[in-house]
Amino acid sequence: GENVEQHPSTLSVQEGDSAVIKCTYSDSASNYFPWYKQELGKRPQLIIDIRSNVGEKKDQRIAVTLNKTAKHFSLHITETQPEDSAVYFCAASPYDKIIFGKGTRLHILP
Amino acid sequence: EAQVTQNPRYLITVTGKKLTVTCSQNMNHEYMSWYRQDPGLGLRQIYYSMNVEVTDKGDVPEGYKVSRKEKRNFPLILESPSPNQTSLYFCASSFPSTGPLHFGNGTRLTVT
Repeated sequence: GENVEQHPSTLSVQEGDSAVIKCTYSDSASNYFPWYKQELGKRPQLIIDIRSNVGEKKDQRIAVTLNKTAKHFSLHITETQPEDSAVYFCAASPYDKIIFGKGTRLHILP
Repeated sequence: EAQVTQNPRYLITVTGKKLTVTCSQNMNHEYMSWYRQDPGLGLRQIYYSMNVEVTDKGDVPEGYKVSRKEKRNFPLILESPSPNQTSLYFCASSFPSTGPLHFGNGTRLTVT
């Protein structure tokens, strides 16, 4: 079955700098790649997603890139702000399942 | 307001005492799913349902049951809970299955 690896598990960046989180997947049938943000004590919420027919997608300070050949996708957050501190999960969806990575805890340092 | 509602938010029980966590969505979504979240392990799928009367196992189905008798409801049943089922549980729904998941607020379950 699908396996999603996410790195790093923890990331600390200075406020205003960029943050990059990387994920790899194993099942070439995966065609949908969402990213979720989970603030402390809250539910995960979708922040951006990309489908396999697109290589890159951007929404303000957030962008996601997908390399189908290498089976990896990345989340880029530019000009980080304190409210970006949270746990981020990538996911890959082959058929009807959605498999999550183990998460990255992002700390924004003042 | 479009939402996924889980109940209860917190539950403490003892080993072997059957329990049900309810999940209801008002968005007419066909796809519903249950996840458990444990530190360092991320979100792991327990069961999912593509539509009424259609359910399938996720990655960690052992010890759990589900049913989908109505489109809006997808309860999670623990027939004989054990301490290793202590976890934070999330219900989610989406349309279509490969679309953004809408999560409930979570149920924190402790089994002693």
